[in-house]
Amino acid sequence: AQTVTQSQPEMSVQEAETVTLSCTYDTSESDYYLFWYKQPPSRQMILVIRQEAYKQQNATENRFSVNFQKAAKSFSLKISDSQLGDAAMYFCAYKVSPFFGNEKLTFGTGTRLTIIP
Amino acid sequence: EAQVTQNPRYLITVTGKKLTVTCSQNMNHEYMSWYRQDPGLGLRQIYYSMNVEVTDKGDVPEGYKVSRKEKRNFPLILESPSPNQTSLYFCASSSGTANTEAFFGQGTRLTVV
Repeated sequence: AQTVTQSQPEMSVQEAETVTLSCTYDTSESDYYLFWYKQPPSRQMILVIRQEAYKQQNATENRFSVNFQKAAKSFSLKISDSQLGDAAMYFCAYKVSPFFGNEKLTFGTGTRLTIIP
Repeated sequence: EAQVTQNPRYLITVTGKKLTVTCSQNMNHEYMSWYRQDPGLGLRQIYYSMNVEVTDKGDVPEGYKVSRKEKRNFPLILESPSPNQTSLYFCASSSGTANTEAFFGQGTRLTVV
C-alpha cells in the first residue's frame, strides 16, 4: 500500500524568510502524481502545487516550489518570502494514475506552519 | 463558479440518530469521494463513486453508506452514528482524468455525543 510521511508535525518561520516542508512516500508504481494542499483555519483544502512523476523538472507556482527526488521518493515544498497568509496546515498527497479507477488521494499527517511576524 | 457544496458545516448529534451529510458539485464531474480528517492521521478515504450508481469502499468505510443517484450529488449517510465517527468530513470531486485537480467542499465538522 502507498504511504505518505510528513515527519515535521509543526514548523515555524520568520516572515519574509524561506521554509521547506518535508514529505516522503512509498510506492511501487511508476506513474503517479504528487500534491501539496494548504488548509488554513477556514478548513478549506486548497491545492498549492502538483508534480507529475514522469516530469523531471520541479514544479513551481510563484513563491512555492518543490524538490522532487523520484529515486529517493521525496517531495519537499519550499515557500519563499513567507507571508502571514501562508500560516496553515500543509498536507502532502499522492495519487496513482489509474486508467480508470479510484482517484484516491493518499495524504500525509500534515505539517502545521506558523509564520512569525 | 465551480464548487463543491457540503451541508451542514457543523453538526452535533447523539449516538444512534441517523444523519446525512449532503454533497453537491456543479462541474459535471464523474468522480466523487468522501474523506474524514482526524488529528495525526491526515485525510482518509471513506467511499468513492466513479459515476452514477457506481460506488465502492475506500479505506475506512465501516459505519458509513453512500449513494449516487444523480451525477451532481453524493450524500454520506451515517445510519447509527457513534462517538468514534466524530471527525471533520470532506467531499471531493474531479473529472476522472489522472492529472486533474480534486475540488474539495468546505468540510463538515461532526460531533457525536
